[in-house]
Amino acid sequence: DVQLVESGGGLVQPGRSLRLSCAASGFVFDDFAMHWVRHSPGKGLEWVSGITWNGNTVDYADSVKGRFTISRDNAKKSVDLQMNSLRPEDTALYYCVKGSIVATSIFDFWGQGIPVTVSS
Amino acid sequence: DIQMTQSPATVSATVGESVTITCRASQDIRNWVAWYQHKPGRAPKLLITKASSLESEVPSRFSGSGTGTLFTLTVARLLPDDSATYYCQNYHDFSGPMYVLGQGTRLEVE
Repeated sequence: DVQLVESGGGLVQPGRSLRLSCAASGFVFDDFAMHWVRHSPGKGLEWVSGITWNGNTVDYADSVKGRFTISRDNAKKSVDLQMNSLRPEDTALYYCVKGSIVATSIFDFWGQGIPVTVSS
Repeated sequence: DIQMTQSPATVSATVGESVTITCRASQDIRNWVAWYQHKPGRAPKLLITKASSLESEVPSRFSGSGTGTLFTLTVARLLPDDSATYYCQNYHDFSGPMYVLGQGTRLEVE
């Protein structure tokens, strides 16, 4: 079965950094794009960042561009999100998401999510 | 950037009824639309791709339609378990802003 397990979340002060990790299993990891999507309190789902199967192409939402960096290690079957210069509005539940074979940006499987709270 | 606008924001319905959620794209996106279901405390679930293709194991009570700029998700014969927030999404192969999700429609089934 497909599994995506996020880790690394927690409480952090504004301006500080945090690194999220996602461990994948149950599928051929290096065949698929991977994404991070977040759900902020009282708001809807927001796509944050994505990376192609080989890591050659990455993209970011405007709200995090220049502050967040996505990366992957196909040997370890993991994808990370380095979050710098965190803001209170980055507070959210962050989901690790697998892209579909049909289209890289269809989110066909989601992890359970990891909470990130940015507060002083 | 393409915008996806859902309506209504919230809808209440009774068990056994049907409900339709609308999603409008700010420009022609052919049939590059997916729908997701998100229940509180659960991971979101992919329901439909290509505007109308049902994912495996999704009940046939769910259906999608539309092309161009107007898309709908219909849930027939509602069950209490259908209570959730539903999102449409414009997708494309790594075209940045084209991953945008709608703002969501909260469905309450009573």
